[in-house]
This record gives sequence, structure tokens and C-alpha cells, in this order.
Amino acid sequence: AQKITQTQPGMFVQEKEAVTLDCTYDTSDPSYGLFWYKQPSSGEMIFLIYQGSYDQQNATEGRYSLNFQKARKSANLVISASQLGDSAMYFCAMREGRNTGRRALTFGSGTRLQVQP
Amino acid sequence: GAGVSQSPRYKVAKRGQDVALRCDPISGHVSLFWYQQALGQGPEFLTYFQNEAQLDKSGLPSDRFFAERPEGSVSTLKIQRTQQEDSAVYLCASSLVPWGGQETQYFGPGTRLLVL
Repeated sequence: AQKITQTQPGMFVQEKEAVTLDCTYDTSDPSYGLFWYKQPSSGEMIFLIYQGSYDQQNATEGRYSLNFQKARKSANLVISASQLGDSAMYFCAMREGRNTGRRALTFGSGTRLQVQP
Repeated sequence: GAGVSQSPRYKVAKRGQDVALRCDPISGHVSLFWYQQALGQGPEFLTYFQNEAQLDKSGLPSDRFFAERPEGSVSTLKIQRTQQEDSAVYLCASSLVPWGGQETQYFGPGTRLLVL
């Protein structure tokens, strides 16, 4: 079973509008972390935002916010006021908790966002 | 400060050749990870080091893949007798602590390997 599912292979958004990128996850571990990374065409993975499973508030970082719905196991990324430089691949990733002993991130297949002027 | 650096950025190898990919993590970062990213897909975990100890190598696809971090800083991923299916981007990431809270992994620019 997929641990991280990103159902939108591609998204278009007009400059200055908001966009939501979907991510659902699957884990039985009560302690986990969810991450979003941006990967421009240059290839480097850029960390955007983090949400811990026990965090009470939805994470926010500037124009990025995470819509965390624990019961639905979703962690959607919201980008407000899109800019042309936001055009990139976006990956949702999960790190499961101490019970698994794993430190690695599990990534989804990504969503390619294109911001149109 | 300096981020994670990787070299070479691009590598073309003939099938059967051995290659070595280098990763310089952020100074002071204890944890180091290698991931493989095939075209159009998300990265997949290969191996993990805490200082010089390789604690998890469950993602290495075959015994042709070998990684080391002898002094707990720079790491090398070696692929022996390369095959065409090894063509991918190899990403290195480092994080400050072994565990705790956010433990964000910071990635390098990757090495794009093409095996002909």
C-alpha cells in the first residue's frame, strides 16, 4: 500500500491566486512527521514546511500553510498568492516515529505546479 | 552557511563501469541519507548513517551498491558494474540530530547518473 499518495500529477494556478496540493498518508504509528519539499528544475529539494502528528496547530511558514486533518490522514499544502517562481515539483513526505526505527523519509510521487502569468 | 554539496553534478558511465558519488553534508550534521530518484518519481531511500555508523542500508537495491562515511562527515556512494537501470538522480541529505522533533533533512543538488 502507498504510504504517501499525491493524486494530482499536475496543477495550474494563476499568479497571485492560492492553490492547494493534496497529500494523504498511511501509517499505524501514532508519532510521525509530515514534510513538504519543493523541487525546481535545478533538482535540489527545498524544505518548505513541517507538521508533527501531535501538533495542535496547523503549520505555517510565510505563504505556505499545511491543512492537517489527522482523522482523514491528509496533509494538504496551501500556497497563497502564487508567484511565477513557485513553478516546480512539490513532494509530500513522511517520517514515521520511533516505533519503526526508521529515520528515512517516504515520498509521494509529486505534483507539478505551473503558475501562469 | 554552506549547504549540502554533491559531486560530480553529472556523470555518464558505460555499462559495467564503477562510479563513486560524493556528498559533503552540512558541517556538524550527525545524520546523512542517500536517496535515489528515478525520472518523474519521488526520491526513494537507499541508506542512512549516524556519524560513521551505517545504521540502515535496507534500501540499497543490490550488493553492487556500497556506501561509506569513514570519518562521520563526507560520504561516498559507490556503484559497481553499473547497469542501465541505475540511471537516476542520487540525492544526499543531512540532518542535525539523530532524532528529535522536526529533524529536517536538508538536501544537496544531486548527482545525475546516466549509464549508457
